Amino acid sequence: AQTVTQSQPEMSVQEAETVTLSCTYDTSESDYYLFWYKQPPSRQMILVIRQEAYKQQNATENRFSVNFQKAAKSFSLKISDSQLGDAAMYFCAYRVIQGAQKLVFGQGTRLTINP
Amino acid sequence: NAGVMQNPRHLVRRRGQEARLRCSPMKGHSHVYWYRQLPEEGLKFMVYLQKENIIDESGMPKERFSAEFPKEGPSILRIQQVVRGDSAAYFCASSPYMTGTSTDTQYFGPGTRLTVL
Repeated sequence: AQTVTQSQPEMSVQEAETVTLSCTYDTSESDYYLFWYKQPPSRQMILVIRQEAYKQQNATENRFSVNFQKAAKSFSLKISDSQLGDAAMYFCAYRVIQGAQKLVFGQGTRLTINP
Repeated sequence: NAGVMQNPRHLVRRRGQEARLRCSPMKGHSHVYWYRQLPEEGLKFMVYLQKENIIDESGMPKERFSAEFPKEGPSILRIQQVVRGDSAAYFCASSPYMTGTSTDTQYFGPGTRLTVL
């Protein structure tokens, strides 16, 4: 069974600094997607960034980038120039490409931004 | 383009009552997913539906829970005879269609917070 592990229950960073959130996963599949979702206090789930496992290039979206290490099954999220609005729960998620469409989520990391 | 709509946003039920949660997918989306989030936990998959079909219900509890996505109207998650342990946030997500290598991202609704007294 696929599992996703986020080993950091909480993280904090100073405003304008850079922070990295960790995620590891376990799968026997070779083709899959990885996602980071943000859940602010409103509880809305917002897609932050997406990575296809068959792509070697790390995905980037403005201040958000990932470090995807397929062999190590690691998928960390880097947030540059942290802003107060980045404060939220961050969830790493996995999904196979073929077959089951369900997302498998990690336990989440609560990110606090210190002004 | 309206996003995924869920209602009600908050639902309070007493033990033994029924809860009905509704989800209207984004326009053009024909796939619906339901997830449950217990306090301080990540989301757990419950069921995946297409119009008039349940594709994967591997995450649904065997009793009291059911889901449907009729040809017309929203998807419904129904919980019969609710218990306190059903208190959680229930999220619906939708995606356009399933293709071989499409990224068909799941877009989430705002969730329904169910409280069982």
